[in-house]
Amino acid sequence: AQTVTQSQPEMSVQEAETVTLSCTYDTSESDYYLFWYKQPPSRQMILVIRQEAYKQQNATENRFSVNFQKAAKSFSLKISDSQLGDAAMYFCAYRSSGAGSYQLTFGKGTKLSVIP
Amino acid sequence: DADVTQTPRNRITKTGKRIMLECSQTKGHDRMYWYRQDPGLGLQLIYYSFDVKDINKGEISDGYSVSRQAQAKFSLSLESAIPNQTALYFCATSDLGHANNEQFFGPGTRLTVL
Repeated sequence: AQTVTQSQPEMSVQEAETVTLSCTYDTSESDYYLFWYKQPPSRQMILVIRQEAYKQQNATENRFSVNFQKAAKSFSLKISDSQLGDAAMYFCAYRSSGAGSYQLTFGKGTKLSVIP
Repeated sequence: DADVTQTPRNRITKTGKRIMLECSQTKGHDRMYWYRQDPGLGLQLIYYSFDVKDINKGEISDGYSVSRQAQAKFSLSLESAIPNQTALYFCATSDLGHANNEQFFGPGTRLTVL
């Protein structure tokens, strides 16, 4: 079974600075998807960014980018120019790419605080 | 209007009561899911459904049941609620034909069992 580990329960960043959230995972599969979800105080789960394991290029979405290290099974999220609205819980998630795949396996989350 | 809706948004109930949480979606997706979120534990899958006639248990299905009344509706029931079922419950949907199979989440239902 796959596992996802987020080793930083809480992080803080100064507004306009850059912060990196860590995620590692364990799998025996060669093809899969990785996701970062944001959960603000409103509770809504919002997809921030996704990465396909077969793609070597790191995904980027505006101020959000990932550092995907397949051999190390590492998938960190970098938030540049942090804004107050970035304050939230961030969850890393894994999904197999097999034909019958369905389940997202989540890490326990990292609470990000943004200091004005 | 939201694509995935959940009712109620908040609910307080007593031990032993039967309760139903409802989920509706307008995205036209085939797959629907129920997750539970406990503090410090991330989200865990309770049940999932690939279509109206297909219901499957997830990793923590004990104490729960589901009903897929239509493609757009997927309900979660607690037949006899207990305090350790106090949690935040999320419904999600995904499209069978979408390569990434991204899951779209509802706003969540906060359930408290006294």
